[in-house]
Amino acid sequence: TQLLEQSPQFLSIQEGENLTVYCNSSSVFSSLQWYRQEPGEGPVLLVTVVTGGEVKKLKRLTFQFGDARKDSSLHITAAQPGDTGLYLCAGAPQAGTALIFGKGTTLSVSS
Amino acid sequence: EAGVAQSPRYKIIEKRQSVAFWCNPISGHATLYWYQQILGQGPKLLIQFQNNGVVDDSQLPKDRFSAERLKGVDSTLKIQPAKLEDSAVYLCASSLGSRIYNEQFFGPGTRLTVL
Repeated sequence: TQLLEQSPQFLSIQEGENLTVYCNSSSVFSSLQWYRQEPGEGPVLLVTVVTGGEVKKLKRLTFQFGDARKDSSLHITAAQPGDTGLYLCAGAPQAGTALIFGKGTTLSVSS
Repeated sequence: EAGVAQSPRYKIIEKRQSVAFWCNPISGHATLYWYQQILGQGPKLLIQFQNNGVVDDSQLPKDRFSAERLKGVDSTLKIQPAKLEDSAVYLCASSLGSRIYNEQFFGPGTRLTVL
């Protein structure tokens, strides 16, 4: 069974700080996605990475897919209270298959 | 473009009762998923449909859970009878199904509380 381990599980920081969330596995994934989920809502897709070593930027968020396609990271620069939420990584073992989700990282940014 | 619709948003039932959830995916999306998300965890796949056929239901507790997707559009998920451990958010997601990297779009979920 393929698993995705996310760390840290909880993160509480001040506005303006930087942070990194990690998503690790012992298995290879064909693609990996990052979602953000707010209370009472479904996850919203932030980014999909498909190539080993790929780096994508979305404003203050930087996503990286490991060279071996087994791990990924999400870096947020100058966090803002609006970044508060549950960040989930999800991997597709093969193209077109259902996603396997990590347990998520709960981020709280206070002003 | 309208998103994935789910109803009801909240449901409270007694254990051993039955409950059904409804999902309307994004128009044109061939693939539909039902996930169970227990508090503090990531979503876990229950069943995946491609049009009206089941692709993966290996993690669906078939003794009490059932799902159908008639005509390849809307879907219903049923629990009968419910247990306390079924308390969770049930998420429906859809995707085009034709892209290699399978981007999924989620509905707001149904929060089920079993007393």
